[in-house]
Amino acid sequence: AQSVSQHNHHVILSEAASLELGCNYSYGGTVNLFWYVQYPGQHLQLLLKYFSGDPLVKGIKGFEAEFIKSKFSFNLRKPSVQWSDTAEYFCAVRIYNQGGKLIFGQGTELSVKP
Amino acid sequence: DADVTQTPRNRITKTGKRIMLECSQTKGHDRMYWYRQDPGLGLRLIYYSFDVKDINKGEISDGYSVSRQAQAKFSLSLESAIPNQTALYFCATSLGVDTEAFFGQGTRLTVV
Repeated sequence: AQSVSQHNHHVILSEAASLELGCNYSYGGTVNLFWYVQYPGQHLQLLLKYFSGDPLVKGIKGFEAEFIKSKFSFNLRKPSVQWSDTAEYFCAVRIYNQGGKLIFGQGTELSVKP
Repeated sequence: DADVTQTPRNRITKTGKRIMLECSQTKGHDRMYWYRQDPGLGLRLIYYSFDVKDINKGEISDGYSVSRQAQAKFSLSLESAIPNQTALYFCATSLGVDTEAFFGQGTRLTVV
Protein backbone atom coordinates (compact mmCIF):
# COMPACT_ATOMS: atom_id res chain seq x y z
CA ALA A 1 0.00 0.00 0.00
CA GLN A 2 1.12 3.53 -0.65
CA SER A 3 2.39 5.18 2.48
CA VAL A 4 4.70 7.55 4.26
CA SER A 5 6.90 5.71 6.76
CA GLN A 6 8.87 7.14 9.61
CA HIS A 7 11.24 4.52 10.93
CA ASN A 8 11.66 5.70 14.49
CA HIS A 9 8.72 5.95 16.83
CA HIS A 10 10.61 7.44 19.76
CA VAL A 11 14.16 8.79 19.80
CA ILE A 12 15.96 9.80 22.98
CA LEU A 13 19.11 11.91 22.73
CA SER A 14 21.32 13.96 24.98
CA GLU A 15 21.87 17.63 24.26
CA ALA A 16 24.51 18.26 21.59
CA ALA A 17 24.00 14.85 20.01
CA SER A 18 23.35 14.67 16.29
CA LEU A 19 19.91 13.80 14.99
CA GLU A 20 18.71 11.96 11.94
CA LEU A 21 15.08 10.98 11.50
CA GLY A 22 14.16 8.75 8.60
CA CYS A 23 11.25 9.22 6.21
CA ASN A 24 10.40 7.08 3.21
CA TYR A 25 7.44 7.27 0.90
CA SER A 26 6.09 4.89 -1.68
CA TYR A 27 4.38 7.20 -4.16
CA GLY A 28 5.58 7.52 -7.73
CA GLY A 29 5.64 10.65 -9.77
CA THR A 30 6.04 14.21 -8.62
CA VAL A 31 5.87 14.91 -4.91
CA ASN A 32 6.44 17.78 -2.55
CA LEU A 33 8.02 16.86 0.77
CA PHE A 34 7.66 18.45 4.18
CA TRP A 35 8.79 18.10 7.75
CA TYR A 36 6.54 19.50 10.47
CA VAL A 37 7.16 19.81 14.18
CA GLN A 38 4.58 19.67 16.96
CA TYR A 39 5.68 20.98 20.35
CA PRO A 40 3.74 19.64 23.32
CA GLY A 41 0.19 20.93 23.33
CA GLN A 42 0.60 22.89 20.13
CA HIS A 43 -0.39 22.60 16.49
CA LEU A 44 1.89 21.58 13.65
CA GLN A 45 4.45 24.05 12.38
CA LEU A 46 6.53 23.79 9.23
CA LEU A 47 10.23 23.03 9.69
CA LEU A 48 11.19 22.80 6.03
CA LYS A 49 9.94 21.86 2.60
CA TYR A 50 11.18 20.53 -0.70
CA PHE A 51 9.46 21.45 -3.96
CA SER A 52 12.25 21.30 -6.53
CA GLY A 53 15.87 22.22 -7.07
CA ASP A 54 18.66 21.54 -4.59
CA PRO A 55 17.79 18.28 -2.83
CA LEU A 56 19.44 19.51 0.37
CA VAL A 57 17.05 21.93 2.01
CA LYS A 58 17.58 23.99 5.10
CA GLY A 59 14.83 24.91 7.50
CA ILE A 60 14.33 26.77 10.70
CA LYS A 61 16.19 26.17 13.96
CA GLY A 62 19.19 24.52 12.27
CA PHE A 63 17.30 21.63 10.73
CA GLU A 64 18.00 20.33 7.25
CA ALA A 65 16.74 17.48 5.10
CA GLU A 66 17.98 15.68 2.03
CA PHE A 67 15.73 14.41 -0.73
CA ILE A 68 17.12 11.25 -2.33
CA LYS A 69 14.78 10.48 -5.19
CA SER A 70 16.21 7.04 -5.94
CA LYS A 71 15.59 5.98 -2.37
CA PHE A 72 12.21 7.72 -2.00
CA SER A 73 13.62 9.25 1.15
CA PHE A 74 13.58 12.64 2.86
CA ASN A 75 15.54 12.32 6.09
CA LEU A 76 15.67 15.11 8.64
CA ARG A 77 18.96 16.05 10.29
CA LYS A 78 20.33 18.41 12.89
CA PRO A 79 24.01 18.43 13.90
CA SER A 80 23.45 19.30 17.55
CA VAL A 81 20.08 19.05 19.28
CA GLN A 82 18.90 21.16 22.16
CA TRP A 83 16.49 20.43 24.98
CA SER A 84 14.02 22.77 23.26
CA ASP A 85 13.90 20.42 20.26
CA THR A 86 11.86 17.98 22.32
CA ALA A 87 8.73 17.54 20.21
CA GLU A 88 7.03 15.25 17.75
CA TYR A 89 8.22 15.37 14.14
CA PHE A 90 6.09 14.50 11.14
CA CYS A 91 7.11 13.85 7.56
CA ALA A 92 4.49 14.64 4.91
CA VAL A 93 4.18 14.05 1.18
CA ARG A 94 2.02 15.92 -1.32
CA ILE A 95 1.11 13.62 -4.18
CA TYR A 96 0.64 15.38 -7.50
CA ASN A 97 -0.95 12.52 -9.40
CA GLN A 98 -3.56 12.20 -6.68
CA GLY A 99 -4.70 15.76 -6.97
CA GLY A 100 -2.27 17.15 -4.48
CA LYS A 101 -3.41 15.06 -1.53
CA LEU A 102 -1.21 15.58 1.54
CA ILE A 103 -0.33 12.45 3.52
CA PHE A 104 1.56 12.27 6.82
CA GLY A 105 3.79 9.70 8.41
CA GLN A 106 3.18 8.24 11.85
CA GLY A 107 5.40 10.74 13.59
CA THR A 108 8.61 10.45 15.61
CA GLU A 109 8.70 11.60 19.20
CA LEU A 110 12.04 13.18 20.08
CA SER A 111 13.08 13.54 23.69
CA VAL A 112 16.25 15.52 24.38
CA LYS A 113 17.81 15.13 27.81
CA PRO A 114 19.47 18.23 29.23
CA ASP B 1 -5.73 36.48 15.34
CA ALA B 2 -5.04 32.99 14.05
CA ASP B 3 -5.19 32.50 10.29
CA VAL B 4 -6.82 29.07 10.68
CA THR B 5 -9.36 28.92 13.47
CA GLN B 6 -11.02 25.82 14.80
CA THR B 7 -14.03 25.73 17.08
CA PRO B 8 -14.57 24.35 19.60
CA ARG B 9 -11.09 23.74 21.03
CA ASN B 10 -12.32 21.03 23.37
CA ARG B 11 -15.52 19.03 23.36
CA ILE B 12 -16.88 16.12 25.32
CA THR B 13 -19.90 14.42 23.82
CA LYS B 14 -21.90 11.28 24.37
CA THR B 15 -22.05 8.24 22.14
CA GLY B 16 -24.68 8.61 19.45
CA LYS B 17 -24.76 12.39 19.47
CA ARG B 18 -24.22 14.46 16.37
CA ILE B 19 -21.37 16.92 16.57
CA MET B 20 -19.89 19.47 14.20
CA LEU B 21 -16.36 20.81 14.25
CA GLU B 22 -15.81 24.05 12.43
CA CYS B 23 -12.83 25.52 10.65
CA SER B 24 -12.47 28.96 9.17
CA GLN B 25 -9.50 30.63 7.52
CA THR B 26 -8.48 34.13 6.59
CA LYS B 27 -5.57 33.12 4.38
CA GLY B 28 -7.53 33.08 1.13
CA HIS B 29 -6.46 29.51 0.46
CA ASP B 30 -8.49 27.30 -1.84
CA ARG B 31 -7.62 23.93 -0.30
CA MET B 32 -8.80 22.76 3.09
CA TYR B 33 -8.22 19.49 4.92
CA TRP B 34 -9.43 17.65 7.98
CA TYR B 35 -7.09 15.27 9.82
CA ARG B 36 -7.32 13.31 13.01
CA GLN B 37 -4.30 12.65 15.20
CA ASP B 38 -3.98 9.54 17.34
CA PRO B 39 -0.88 8.53 19.32
CA GLY B 40 1.41 6.36 17.23
CA LEU B 41 -0.68 6.80 14.09
CA GLY B 42 0.30 10.31 13.10
CA LEU B 43 -2.18 12.44 11.19
CA ARG B 44 -4.68 10.63 9.04
CA LEU B 45 -6.61 12.41 6.32
CA ILE B 46 -10.38 12.36 6.74
CA TYR B 47 -11.60 14.65 3.96
CA TYR B 48 -10.14 17.32 1.76
CA SER B 49 -11.59 20.00 -0.48
CA PHE B 50 -9.93 21.82 -3.35
CA ASP B 51 -12.71 24.37 -3.71
CA VAL B 52 -16.31 24.85 -2.67
CA LYS B 53 -17.64 22.30 -5.19
CA ASP B 54 -14.87 19.74 -4.80
CA ILE B 55 -14.98 17.40 -1.81
CA ASN B 56 -12.85 14.27 -1.59
CA LYS B 57 -12.65 11.38 0.82
CA GLY B 58 -9.38 10.76 2.56
CA GLU B 59 -7.97 7.66 4.20
CA ILE B 60 -10.54 7.34 6.98
CA SER B 61 -13.79 9.02 5.94
CA ASP B 62 -16.22 6.42 7.33
CA GLY B 63 -18.36 7.90 10.09
CA TYR B 64 -17.59 11.47 9.05
CA SER B 65 -19.07 14.00 6.65
CA VAL B 66 -17.99 17.48 5.62
CA SER B 67 -19.44 20.67 4.26
CA ARG B 68 -17.57 23.44 2.45
CA GLN B 69 -19.95 26.32 3.05
CA ALA B 70 -17.67 28.91 1.53
CA GLN B 71 -14.07 29.11 0.46
CA ALA B 72 -13.16 30.13 3.99
CA LYS B 73 -15.21 27.55 5.90
CA PHE B 74 -14.95 23.78 6.10
CA SER B 75 -16.94 21.85 8.70
CA LEU B 76 -16.53 18.27 9.84
CA SER B 77 -19.53 16.36 11.20
CA LEU B 78 -19.81 13.17 13.16
CA GLU B 79 -23.38 12.05 12.55
CA SER B 80 -23.42 9.57 15.42
CA ALA B 81 -20.30 9.83 17.53
CA ILE B 82 -18.63 6.68 18.85
CA PRO B 83 -15.83 6.34 21.43
CA ASN B 84 -13.15 5.40 18.89
CA GLN B 85 -13.62 8.82 17.32
CA THR B 86 -12.02 10.28 20.41
CA ALA B 87 -8.98 12.09 18.98
CA LEU B 88 -7.34 15.40 18.26
CA TYR B 89 -8.71 16.89 15.06
CA PHE B 90 -6.82 19.36 12.91
CA CYS B 91 -7.96 21.54 10.06
CA ALA B 92 -5.38 22.70 7.53
CA THR B 93 -5.30 24.92 4.47
CA SER B 94 -3.02 25.40 1.49
CA LEU B 95 -2.93 27.49 -1.66
CA GLY B 96 -3.07 25.03 -4.52
CA VAL B 97 0.06 22.96 -4.64
CA ASP B 98 2.26 26.00 -4.24
CA THR B 99 2.41 26.20 -0.48
CA GLU B 100 2.76 24.05 2.55
CA ALA B 101 -0.28 23.33 4.69
CA PHE B 102 -1.08 25.69 7.54
CA PHE B 103 -2.74 24.18 10.58
CA GLY B 104 -5.31 25.28 13.07
CA GLN B 105 -4.84 24.85 16.81
CA GLY B 106 -6.77 21.60 16.90
CA THR B 107 -9.99 20.36 18.50
CA ARG B 108 -9.74 17.75 21.21
CA LEU B 109 -12.85 15.60 21.00
CA THR B 110 -13.79 13.04 23.61
CA VAL B 111 -16.70 10.68 23.02
CA VAL B 112 -17.93 9.00 26.19
